[in-house]
Amino acid sequence: DAGVIQSPRHEVTEMGQEVTLRCKPISGHNSLFWYRQTMMRGLELLIYFNNNVPIDDSGMPEDRFSAKMPNASFSTLKIQPSEPRDSAVYFCASSLGWPQHFGDGTRLSIL
Amino acid sequence: QQQVKQSPQSLIVQKGGISIINCAYENTAFDYFPWYQQFPGKGPALLIAIRPDVSEKKEGRFTISFNKSAKQFSLHIMDSQPGDSATYFCAPKGSSNTGKLIFGQGTTLQVKP
Repeated sequence: DAGVIQSPRHEVTEMGQEVTLRCKPISGHNSLFWYRQTMMRGLELLIYFNNNVPIDDSGMPEDRFSAKMPNASFSTLKIQPSEPRDSAVYFCASSLGWPQHFGDGTRLSIL
Repeated sequence: QQQVKQSPQSLIVQKGGISIINCAYENTAFDYFPWYQQFPGKGPALLIAIRPDVSEKKEGRFTISFNKSAKQFSLHIMDSQPGDSATYFCAPKGSSNTGKLIFGQGTTLQVKP
């Protein structure tokens, strides 16, 4: 079975540009999570959805970040405008209760 | 605020030795206590997990020891191998249907040949 699929794997863009990260969860899973990983802050939960509905977005750093889940098989995390401090690895994970299965992440570099 | 404290931050072990990583938590509303393993360039992957009604769980060379009264649980890797070199996270799960995890800071393990 295919795992969680994230795209792109790497993204390099200039400050001020819009960035869109994509995630395809495992088929049948009803929860989806977006995480950010940095050396300084470790793994932080940004937002999670249950049955396509955002349940907790308290980890979203600011209004420049937004996430959507239009259907059970697709989610996006958007940063607009991007800043150098947004550089990190962004992970998507999905689950049906337990456990969470992670994708291999998108390494984002904002110049 | 829920807090999870993991130690040590890094660990170097000789091949064949025992690696021990500890995790302390404050919130008593966790209902599952997993350890995740992460290799460079990959996402975290579930390694082993324990429920709070069990004091120890062993899967191959990996063992979780759980001390509910002390609010601590630890990961023991017996006969450590170079292939075990990775970052390990404790990530206790909140007692809700959504499975929200609270990740520790991570421990980078290096096993020397």
